Amino acid sequence: GAGVSQTPSNKVTEKGKYVELRCDPISGHTALYWYRQSLGQGPEFLIYFQGTGAADDSGLPNDRFFAVRPEGSVSTLKIQRTERGDSAVYLCASSPLGYNEQFFGPGTRLTVL
Amino acid sequence: DQQVKQNSPSLSVQEGRISILNCDYTNSMFDYFLWYKKYPAEGPTFLISISSIKDKNEDGRFTVFLNKSAKHLSLHIVPSQPGDSAVYFCAASYGSSNTGKLIFGQGTTLQVKP
Repeated sequence: GAGVSQTPSNKVTEKGKYVELRCDPISGHTALYWYRQSLGQGPEFLIYFQGTGAADDSGLPNDRFFAVRPEGSVSTLKIQRTERGDSAVYLCASSPLGYNEQFFGPGTRLTVL
Repeated sequence: DQQVKQNSPSLSVQEGRISILNCDYTNSMFDYFLWYKKYPAEGPTFLISISSIKDKNEDGRFTVFLNKSAKHLSLHIVPSQPGDSAVYFCAASYGSSNTGKLIFGQGTTLQVKP
C-alpha cells in the first residue's frame, strides 16, 4: 500500500515569505505528527494530531508556525514570515490509533535564502 | 537538555561482524523505545522497538537490549551487511496512551565495509 507522502520534496523560498508543506498520511491512520530535522540532529517533534484536532502542539517553536488537518486526513504545515533558521527537513509521520510505531514520509527540504 | 543521547556520531564495522549502537536516556518516564534507520533523502524507517517491561527484543539480525537501571539501550546487528550502512536513530516515547510523540537521539552513522 501507499506510504506517507509529502509535497513538495524541496522548497526554496526567500526570507519573509509564507510557505505551506503538505502531508498525506497512510489511509486509515488517525494519528499524524510533524517533526523538523536540522543537519546533524535527530527529528524534533512539532505537533501531533489525533483526527482533526491538534492534541499536542508543544513543539511548535513560535506563532509563525501553524498546522491544520481539517478532514482528519491530509495535513498542512504553514510557516509565516520565514527566517533562515527555519531551513530544515520537515518530516511527517502517521500511525494507527494506539500504535507506538510511526511511519515517516520522505520529508520536505525547506531552504530559506 | 537532550533527553535521548547517542554519543557515538559514527561507527565503522566489517561485513559479517557485529554492529553495536548505543543510546542513553535521562527521563525514567519513557516506557517505549524504538530504533529507526535512515538512508539519505529518505524518511526514517522503523526497525525494531521494545517496551520498558522487557529487556530484550529480537527480530532476525536485529536485537535491542534495554537496561532500565542504567537508562541505556543498544541495538545489535548480526551479521552486519553493507546494506545496513545508514544513519540509525534511537527514539523514546511515553507510550501511545500519551501523545505518542517521539524524542530522538542525534543519530549514529553506521558504515559496513565489504
